[in-house]
Amino acid sequence: GESVGLHLPTLSVQEGDNSIINCAYSNSASDYFIWYKQESGKGPQFIIDIRSNMDKRQGQRVTVLLNKTVKHLSLQIAATQPGDSAVYFCAETSADRGSTLGRLYFGRGTQLTVWP
Amino acid sequence: DVKVTQSSRYLVKRTGEKVFLECVQDMDHENMFWYRQDPGLGLRLIYFSYDVKMKEKGDIPEGYSVSREKKERFSLILESASTNQTSMYLCASSPGRRGQPQHFGDGTRLSIL
Repeated sequence: GESVGLHLPTLSVQEGDNSIINCAYSNSASDYFIWYKQESGKGPQFIIDIRSNMDKRQGQRVTVLLNKTVKHLSLQIAATQPGDSAVYFCAETSADRGSTLGRLYFGRGTQLTVWP
Repeated sequence: DVKVTQSSRYLVKRTGEKVFLECVQDMDHENMFWYRQDPGLGLRLIYFSYDVKMKEKGDIPEGYSVSREKKERFSLILESASTNQTSMYLCASSPGRRGQPQHFGDGTRLSIL
């Protein structure tokens, strides 16, 4: 079946360093991708999204890169702060799933820990 | 900002009880979703709804049902709770068109004793 996976389940970085969280997907028809952040005791929070007609999109301190050739998605966080410590999920969807509008397919998440 | 509100943060029920989890969204979204989240398994879709009174099974619908009588409210029902349904339950909503983010509530941590 389709899968949205992550290369590493955990990532530890020093405060102030840049973080890169990776995600692989298998469906070549995937055309919409999202990153979520989930802090302890809270629901997933939308960070940034990107459509397949783009390679890069930037937000505040975050950048998402999409490489459709190798089906790879990454989230870059600049100047990582302790408040960035959380689990990060990627999610995707495609038009060929045959399911109703709006369904997303989630990866299992990467735990980011930021050390002072 | 979109607000998705789940009625309880923590809930403790007994095996065999009928359990209702409620979710309300305030953005007039057509789509609503129920997930469960377990360590190491990520988010798994139980049911979703794309319109009032409409529902579709997700990946793990067994032991659950849903109700959507009003656009803003989506209820998850555990017909006869079992201990393996102890989990974090997350509700989400999104606009009706594809390619839009889902917005999540803060979850209900349900314990079945």
